Amino acid sequence: NAGVTQTPKFQVLKTGQSMTLQCAQDMNHEYMSWYRQDPGMGLRLIHYSVGAGITDQGEVPNGYNVSRSTTEDFPLRLLSAAPSQTSVYFCASFSLAGIEQFFGPGTRLTVL
Amino acid sequence: DAKTTQPTSMDCAEGRAANLPCNHSTISGNEYVYWYRQIHSQGPQYIIHGLKNNETNEMASLIITEDRKSSTLILPHATLRDTAVYYCIVRLINAGNNRKLIWGLGTSLAVNP
Repeated sequence: NAGVTQTPKFQVLKTGQSMTLQCAQDMNHEYMSWYRQDPGMGLRLIHYSVGAGITDQGEVPNGYNVSRSTTEDFPLRLLSAAPSQTSVYFCASFSLAGIEQFFGPGTRLTVL
Repeated sequence: DAKTTQPTSMDCAEGRAANLPCNHSTISGNEYVYWYRQIHSQGPQYIIHGLKNNETNEMASLIITEDRKSSTLILPHATLRDTAVYYCIVRLINAGNNRKLIWGLGTSLAVNP
């Protein structure tokens, strides 16, 4: 199993540009989530999903959209990037019957 | 979910045991204690979890006090590769669809040669 994969690993955007961060998992996990991690702060939940077609907001959802059309994929969309969205983004998944969350390797995003 | 308190940083000599404390004085009876770690720039990695009994796996041991208000993660023979930030988190047993974990700043462990 590849586990949780994220693309791209690095991205530089200009203010106002849009982009999609990709996340995929091959473990058939129902639950997937997106976090951002900023210096001096813990991981903060952006959006999460408990299954295909079901999404909900986390702590810091503003400026981000998500959708879950398949069990495997959970893309995160930035519609109009802002410098405040400069961060490292992690995708995670786990089975509702399981114990641990599995994290992807992260995407380092810089918005100029 | 209950909050946790951890020291900001700790040092440990290579080959010695690393004991990382966590205070969770407001933990309720239906909350697990979880430990994750994050090696520089990587995604967090699950280490171990427990409810009230001590637990051990191939990575670490978890000691939970009888009143469950604190716990200690033990890395029995720390190596340089154990240098990481260690997070202590509490989570409801029957979280169902509510799997939000509240992440603090963790303890930055430096294992020195």
